[in-house]
Amino acid sequence: EAQVTQNPRYLITVTGKKLTVTCSQNMNHEYMSWYRQDPGLGLRQIYYSMNVEVTDKGDVPEGYKVSRKEKRNFPLILESPSPNQTSLYFCASSSAPSGGAYNEQFFGPGTRLTVL
Amino acid sequence: QKEVEQNSGPLSVPEGAIASLNCTYSDRGSQSFFWYRQYSGKSPELIMSIYSNGDKEDGRFTAQLNKASQYVSLLIRDSQPSDSATYLCAVKNTGGFKTIFGAGTRLFVKA
Repeated sequence: EAQVTQNPRYLITVTGKKLTVTCSQNMNHEYMSWYRQDPGLGLRQIYYSMNVEVTDKGDVPEGYKVSRKEKRNFPLILESPSPNQTSLYFCASSSAPSGGAYNEQFFGPGTRLTVL
Repeated sequence: QKEVEQNSGPLSVPEGAIASLNCTYSDRGSQSFFWYRQYSGKSPELIMSIYSNGDKEDGRFTAQLNKASQYVSLLIRDSQPSDSATYLCAVKNTGGFKTIFGAGTRLFVKA
């Protein structure tokens, strides 16, 4: 089954304790992205990756890191989480954008993170 | 000005009616436009995508795009209670690497 998986699905942590949220896709997609979703603000892009070893900042990258060492995986790293990073996080993947092609994004199930 | 704007709603329509959801965007060079549906606590799923000016129909859904007015809409005909969800408008920027989402419109379909 084609899917994007994220782990963990729920996480409660404390300020300053480093954490990693994993994301994996089995569709051989080149493009992967991380979003956070907050009430009233919709989905905001944190980082995206066009392919292995190629990443770039989205609209809200502060406090986050990513890496893309393998095509299927795109972990999100919070080196020193703070309460304002409490949010619902989604990973997404799609085939490489070309021209104006549609390139539907497939979303993972989400990770609900609470930072105390 | 937000890059992608939607009315937050909630929009309430009776079962069987037409629901009309609207979205405006600021980047005139945007190329691809998407409507995602998101049920509470779930991940977004694609409903419609549109690239060219005009209408695109898929079952009960019609997406409309007007690039000159920087406006995209989604019509849902014969609305069902199962259509009750938040609808997210998404716009892919020039170059195609960044996707900007609107804050979403909550739709309630009353039985």
